[in-house]
Amino acid sequence: GAGVSQSPSNKVTEKGKDVELRCDPISGHTALYWYRQRLGQGLEFLIYFQGNSAPDKSGLPSDRFSAERTGESVSTLTIQRTQQEDSAVYLCASSLYSGQGRTEQFFGPGTRLTVL
Amino acid sequence: ILNVEQSPQSLHVQEGDSTNFTCSFPSSNFYALHWYRWETAKSPEALFVMTLNGDEKKKGRISATLNTKEGYSYLYIKGSQPEDSATYLCAFAMNRDDKIIFGKGTRLHILP
Repeated sequence: GAGVSQSPSNKVTEKGKDVELRCDPISGHTALYWYRQRLGQGLEFLIYFQGNSAPDKSGLPSDRFSAERTGESVSTLTIQRTQQEDSAVYLCASSLYSGQGRTEQFFGPGTRLTVL
Repeated sequence: ILNVEQSPQSLHVQEGDSTNFTCSFPSSNFYALHWYRWETAKSPEALFVMTLNGDEKKKGRISATLNTKEGYSYLYIKGSQPEDSATYLCAFAMNRDDKIIFGKGTRLHILP
């Protein structure tokens, strides 16, 4: 079956512009995660959606970052007024729900965001 | 603050040699420990999800052990091959949800 897909694969934008990144999880996966990897850094948690529960937004670095998810499908991560420090690879992952972190996460190919 | 530590940060290993590296995590409120392999220009892929103290898992030449009481996991690679070159990430789940916290990874380079 299809894996996790993300679009666009690459995005170059100017400082101050807004960007929207999209993630299509694996069908049936109720848990969805956004991460980012900045150059030379590890994988940084941003936000986690599980079914209809309130999302865990504890990893969002500022109020310029927001994310939405439509039911148990597509998610969009929006970055407003982009800054150069937002340049990173943004990864989306999905998993079956276990409630105890016991199911593997499946990652999409990522969106490479470059803010000039 | 939850801290998942991986060591070493980087490792160079001769092709054919065996190697291992470590993931350390808080020993309280343990639910699960994940290992992922992240090859350059690809997405992270799961190797193992481990849940029980003393667990040992194996996939081909790669194996992992888990000690939840002392808060560490080892990943072993036997007879390293060039295709093993990657960053190996561990991640820890400590809550009754599916959020996991990743370490910064061990970057493994296999020398021909």
